[in-house]
Amino acid sequence: AQSVTQPDIHITVSEGASLELRCNYSYGATPYLFWYVQSPGQGLQLLLKYFSGDTLVQGIKGFEAEFKRSQSSFNLRKPSVHWSDAAEYFCAVGANRGSQGNLIFGKGTKLSVKP
Amino acid sequence: DARVTQTPRHKVTEMGQEVTMRCQPILGHNTVFWYRQTMMQGLELLAYFRNRAPLDDSGMPKDRFSAEMPDATLATLKIQPSEPRDSAVYFCASARQAPPLNTEAFFGQGTRLTVV
Repeated sequence: AQSVTQPDIHITVSEGASLELRCNYSYGATPYLFWYVQSPGQGLQLLLKYFSGDTLVQGIKGFEAEFKRSQSSFNLRKPSVHWSDAAEYFCAVGANRGSQGNLIFGKGTKLSVKP
Repeated sequence: DARVTQTPRHKVTEMGQEVTMRCQPILGHNTVFWYRQTMMQGLELLAYFRNRAPLDDSGMPKDRFSAEMPDATLATLKIQPSEPRDSAVYFCASARQAPPLNTEAFFGQGTRLTVV
């Protein structure tokens, strides 16, 4: 069965510092992987996705993520965090074969940014 | 600007009442998801449809929840009777999926349900 683990419930970083949010997945084949961001009171917005090809993917707002098959990981990174990045971040795995199309989410990592 | 539209945005109801949440997926999207978000459980997949047919509703309590797609432009999630433990934010998402390629899901802004 698919599953996603985000080990960090809450992370606080200083503005301008680098950021890495961890995501580990469990899936029997090469998964489709996503990072979404949720601002308070809002729905989820897609930051980036990995389907195939280059394992380092670029997303919106200066985020990137790297797919590492050997570690079953898809960590999200940003070199310099801005105060507006404070939000909750969700990693998700999607089945990519046959008629399956469900998306399973991790429990999220809340990011706080210190001035 | 195509988006997923959910109504109502907020709903407060008394225990035992029926609640209906509606979702208008993005035009041309053939897959609709219903998720429930709570502090304790995070985002849980309740059900999803492809081409209006339910593919998986194993995450949904069958005794009180039901999900339907009367047509391609409307998905509904009903709770009858509602209970305080159903209080959560319910998200609808849609995607254009044609196996083997699955694309990302676009989310609505959610319905915040409070059952008192």
